[in-house]
Amino acid sequence: QQQVKQSPQSLIVQKGGISIINCAYENTAFDYFPWYQQFPGKGPALLIAIRPDVSEKKEGRFTISFNKSAKQFSLHIMDSQPGDSATYFCAASKGHTGTASKLTFGTGTRLQVTL
Amino acid sequence: EAGVVQSPRYKIIEKKQPVAFWCNPISGHNTLYWYRQNLGQGPELLIRYENEEAVDDSQLPKDRFSAERLKGVDSTLKIQPAELGDSAVYLCASSSIAGGYTFGSGTRLTVV
Repeated sequence: QQQVKQSPQSLIVQKGGISIINCAYENTAFDYFPWYQQFPGKGPALLIAIRPDVSEKKEGRFTISFNKSAKQFSLHIMDSQPGDSATYFCAASKGHTGTASKLTFGTGTRLQVTL
Repeated sequence: EAGVVQSPRYKIIEKKQPVAFWCNPISGHNTLYWYRQNLGQGPELLIRYENEEAVDDSQLPKDRFSAERLKGVDSTLKIQPAELGDSAVYLCASSSIAGGYTFGSGTRLTVV
């Protein structure tokens, strides 16, 4: 049972463009939704996270949009740069900070930002 | 801060052989996790420790996998015997009540 569904599987964006990755979850007990960035040969690194009591969170060029009624959330990368080329994972957990709890990951989106 | 340290980085073994992975979490992090990441997939939790106690091992294939976290610090994950389907990246992560859920770079296991 895939509790967190992520799309698209891969994405190619021109430099300066907007990258958008979408996720949908099934378990309404989830209350913490982080996004992770993973470079080849490295472990996932926390990028940005949101709790369901807000609909949007922005940190620099990265924004999470959250739709609780639709059980969907998305990552927007503004002014995408070649250095953003990586695999992005959405995740969800119970426990509002995600600490001391299991993260359920999506299947990942491989982003390539071209010049 | 050194981050979560894992070793070895890579391991190639023949099927039916044993293998062990080691993890040193961030100092002060009382929660330690082992995840498995198959190629092209997101990580999946194998086991979670709170200090020395395994509090969630429901996804650990206990017939061949074992783990320990002696003294609530370092941890070892073992597979015996390894199967071809065990080829994956094994990730260790740690966190504390204050936060800081951090992953190591993982051990890439290839079973031939």
